[in-house]
Amino acid sequence: DGGITQSPKYLFRKEGQNVTLSCEQNLNHDAMYWYRQDPGQGLRLIYYSQIVNDFQKGDIAEGYSVSREKKESFPLTVTSAQKNPTAFYLCASSLGRGLGLNTEAFFGQGTRLTVV
Amino acid sequence: GESVGLHLPTLSVQEGDNSIINCAYSNSASDYFIWYKQESGKGPQFIIDIRSNMDKRQGQRVTVLLNKTVKHLSLQIAATQPGDSAVYFCAEIWAGGTSYGKLTFGQGTILTVHP
Repeated sequence: DGGITQSPKYLFRKEGQNVTLSCEQNLNHDAMYWYRQDPGQGLRLIYYSQIVNDFQKGDIAEGYSVSREKKESFPLTVTSAQKNPTAFYLCASSLGRGLGLNTEAFFGQGTRLTVV
Repeated sequence: GESVGLHLPTLSVQEGDNSIINCAYSNSASDYFIWYKQESGKGPQFIIDIRSNMDKRQGQRVTVLLNKTVKHLSLQIAATQPGDSAVYFCAEIWAGGTSYGKLTFGQGTILTVHP
């Protein structure tokens, strides 16, 4: 089955701990994205990557870090510097090659992170 | 910072009616505008896109209209069905400069279709 997989679905962490959310895709997509979604709100872009070993900050990158060492993987670390990390995190990927092919992003099922 | 307590606008329609969902965008440099549908507990799904040099595009039961003069995007759903109930997000993507491939989402609208 081709798709994008986020794990775990639910994650609980103590305040002050770093936590890494996994995102893997076997769609051979170049572009990958991380979003944060809070209850009753839209998706806010944390980081995105168009190619292996390169990534850019989104609109709310503070307190987060990413790596893109492999095409199929784009893990997100929520650091202790993130002041309010409890949220629903969504990862997405798209073909990323040229205009017209990058508009359809495929999303994972999300990870719900709760920091206590 | 975060907008705590911000709620999404809502639209309620009867089954069979046409629905119009609106979105205001701010970035005139976006190259494509896109509509996504998000069902409860799931990630968003692509519906339709429109290139910035177009003003209308039709799909199956959906039409997207783009008015660049007033920076307004709309999604029309014909003969709305209960399965169309979801949150609808507009999105935009850049194809140039240092923000190449940046895909950002608007606030969203909750559509509820009553049988």
